[in-house]
Amino acid sequence: KAGVTQTPRYLIKTRGQQVTLSCSPISGHRSVSWYQQTPGQGLQFLFEYFSETQRNKGNFPGRFSGRQFSNSRSEMNVSTLELGDSALYLCASSMGLANTDTQYFGPGTRLTVL
Amino acid sequence: GDSVTQMEGPVTLSEEACLTINCTYTATGYPSLFWYVQYPGEGLQLLLKATKADDKGSNKGFEATYRKETTSFHLEKGSVQVSDSAVYFCALSDLRIQGAQKLVFGQGTRLTINP
Repeated sequence: KAGVTQTPRYLIKTRGQQVTLSCSPISGHRSVSWYQQTPGQGLQFLFEYFSETQRNKGNFPGRFSGRQFSNSRSEMNVSTLELGDSALYLCASSMGLANTDTQYFGPGTRLTVL
Repeated sequence: GDSVTQMEGPVTLSEEACLTINCTYTATGYPSLFWYVQYPGEGLQLLLKATKADDKGSNKGFEATYRKETTSFHLEKGSVQVSDSAVYFCALSDLRIQGAQKLVFGQGTRLTINP
């Protein structure tokens, strides 16, 4: 099976712009989760989608949003970018049926805000 | 809230040395526990997991046992290789929403193995 894919791999934006990141899960997986990784804060949960519905959300401002399509692919959007949004954004997919499920991560999108 | 604490790094060892990376957690209920590894420039890869007390997860010579009494999930390997150099993350699954896929991570431990 193909793994989790994320596009683009690298992005450079300026403050105030918005950005959309894409994630394609492993075939058959219905849950997609997003995480932000920074040197200072480590790995933090953003949100999770299951069958096109947001099921769980982390403590991030409303500038961070996401959605999931009927084929389970997911996008996350960050509006009005700030310098502090520079990070590696990781997407993970799983069956999403139990808390014991393993999440499989993509390679990430490296976002740099100038 | 739930939290995971890992031993601070970086950790530097010689090849064939024994490894232990400590991980303790605070959680409501009995979460599943995971170790993930991140190689430079890559995403996270699952190394091993345990879903209930006294379970032992193992993979590629690494082991960790879910200890409910000490709320710990320490990662061990008897003989490390240069290729084990990476950042290791301990994580637990948040149980507050049934089925929801939220992981709470420790801060990560950078491991360097010298030949």
